[in-house]
Amino acid sequence: DIQMTQSPSSLSASVGDRVTITCRASQSISNYLNWYQQKPGTAPRLLIYSASSLQRGVPSRFSGSGSGTDFTLTINSLQPEDFATYYCHQGYNTPQTFGQGTKVEIK
Amino acid sequence: EVQLVESGGVVVQPGGSLRLSCATSGFTFKDYTMHWVRQPPGKGLEWVSLISWDAGSAYYIDSVKGRFTISRDNSKSSLYLEMHSLRIDDTGLYYCAKGFYGYSSADHWGQGTLVTVSS
Repeated sequence: DIQMTQSPSSLSASVGDRVTITCRASQSISNYLNWYQQKPGTAPRLLIYSASSLQRGVPSRFSGSGSGTDFTLTINSLQPEDFATYYCHQGYNTPQTFGQGTKVEIK
Repeated sequence: EVQLVESGGVVVQPGGSLRLSCATSGFTFKDYTMHWVRQPPGKGLEWVSLISWDAGSAYYIDSVKGRFTISRDNSKSSLYLEMHSLRIDDTGLYYCAKGFYGYSSADHWGQGTLVTVSS
């Protein structure tokens, strides 16, 4: 199985900050990497697919990059509604796997 | 508007069985891969299973192989997960999700149905 390792597990940031979350795959997954946002009590929301494609309706302050084994989610100018947990997810093969999540908290 | 509504989650004893359902609307169900993803209380997301648009292919996480069966009824725009020999570590919120970009991602999710395996 492909292991997905996110870092950090949590971070504290202020409104307006630039936030970067990384995800590393245990083997190459090409660009089959997605990013989801989850707020407490709600379902995950797709933010980025195919490593760098912004899902329709997602604000442009979210961006993704990377290929192979190393990937990054960047949030430019963090907004109050961005405080949530973020998961990377590989859809390269089955079993599909998620990272352990990164909780973004208010500083 | 795309909608997915899961049902069937209950409290069940270890070794028991359960069938989850996911009723969908707002998209052409028969054209899309569908997924089940679960989330134990207070923990992260775990992909469980997917089924191709025509039910010709199905895949599972190792821990549920031989115990869970994913299926779909395209005439009813519905997805199912048949669960047997349930274990305590199967406890969690089970989401159904609509596939996006083939098998590789999921763009719409239901609100989840809670399965609790407890004696």
